Amino acid sequence: DTGVSQDPRHKITKRGQNVTFRCDPISEHNRLYWYRQTLGQGPEFLTYFQNEAQLEKSRLLSDRFSAERPKGSFSTLEIQRTEQGDSAMYLCASSPTGVEKLFFGSGTQLSVL
Amino acid sequence: DAKTTQPNSMESNEEEPVHLPCNHSTISGTDYIHWYRQLPSQGPEYVIHGLTSNVNNRMASLAIAEDRKSSTLILHRATLRDAAVYYCILRKTSYDKVIFGPGTSLSVIP
Repeated sequence: DTGVSQDPRHKITKRGQNVTFRCDPISEHNRLYWYRQTLGQGPEFLTYFQNEAQLEKSRLLSDRFSAERPKGSFSTLEIQRTEQGDSAMYLCASSPTGVEKLFFGSGTQLSVL
Repeated sequence: DAKTTQPNSMESNEEEPVHLPCNHSTISGTDYIHWYRQLPSQGPEYVIHGLTSNVNNRMASLAIAEDRKSSTLILHRATLRDAAVYYCILRKTSYDKVIFGPGTSLSVIP
């Protein structure tokens, strides 16, 4: 069990550029979650998957954000035309179905200049 | 959605017990009470959860009021490694997303 892995750990980009983050969940965890966290705040729910199906998206997730989990394993979160307000820590979590706890990765810290 | 209320911050001396309170006066009968904690520069980590009865595990104890309108996370002997933000969360089932509030920032004084 290597835990939830997120790549990259840090990303610096210029406003207007597109960025993509990757999350590798724990093996055989079929539920995968994305969260965003800004300084001093708790993590904010963005979206989650059951296998390859995206079951829920937060209304806070603008059209510039898209997440995929094409084979029910790893997931990607893409932000198009980044804005300074997108600067945050992006966290991924996974869990097996029917298990109460979520396992979080260490996150990707995005800075938009 | 039922809400939780926690103090913004608390302090504790090292090696002493810590009681972290959480109010959830609008809790429904099917809401489980979950606690997560987040150490600096890390993702949140599950601590414990319960429904009605008090719960113990290797990390902490969860004391739930009889009317379930409040609960307390108990760290029996605080260490410097317990300095973190602690989140109290209500969740109906394992199929629900986990919604975090601002949590309680715990400082442990050597």
